[in-house]
Amino acid sequence: DGGITQSPKYLFRKEGQNVTLSCEQNLNHDAMYWYRQDPGQGLRLIYYSQIVNDFQKGDIAEGYSVSREKKESFPLTVTSAQKNPTAFYLCASSIQTGLSKAFFGQGTRLTVV
Amino acid sequence: AQKITQTQPGMFVQEKEAVTLDCTYDTSDQSYGLFWYKQPSSGEMIFLIYQGSYDEQNATEGRYSLNFQKARKSANLVISASQLGDSAMYFCAMALGKFYFGSGTKLNVKP
Repeated sequence: DGGITQSPKYLFRKEGQNVTLSCEQNLNHDAMYWYRQDPGQGLRLIYYSQIVNDFQKGDIAEGYSVSREKKESFPLTVTSAQKNPTAFYLCASSIQTGLSKAFFGQGTRLTVV
Repeated sequence: AQKITQTQPGMFVQEKEAVTLDCTYDTSDQSYGLFWYKQPSSGEMIFLIYQGSYDEQNATEGRYSLNFQKARKSANLVISASQLGDSAMYFCAMALGKFYFGSGTKLNVKP
């Protein structure tokens, strides 16, 4: 079945460490997105990519980095520069940026200990 | 500037009654898409319904309908015959090059 897979579901990180969240899709979608969600809040866009080897900053890109070397993969690295990384992270994809609906992964819950 | 506004942080509805969740948006573009997603406590985002800016008829998907008023820039979600399983967060979103999400409405369905 086609879909988006995020891993791991839960992740614990020590302060000062970088950590990478995985996002893979087999829907042949061009566009991929990373969102951050804090408890009881909406989704805030971190980065998005419309095509392989290209990506743009969203509203809260500081302290995060991404790559898009393959169409199906869009990993997110939370760096030590991110001051408050504990949050729920959602990856999404769509046929193209624009009018098509976004499909979401199950999310990764990151906790800094 | 906020592009999607959901003014109801939380709502209660009695089981089997209808409920309307409000959403207003802000854009000067003529071509855009409007979406509603449901997020249960598990965290997954479930697509509910879509309305294109050029669609003249309101979208419907089973018990969900979207009350689209273009001049008012509103895209309210109507859930008919509420069920206990409808208790969740609901997000309105607009696709305009990228996706903009509202802050969400937490719906509680009472038995």
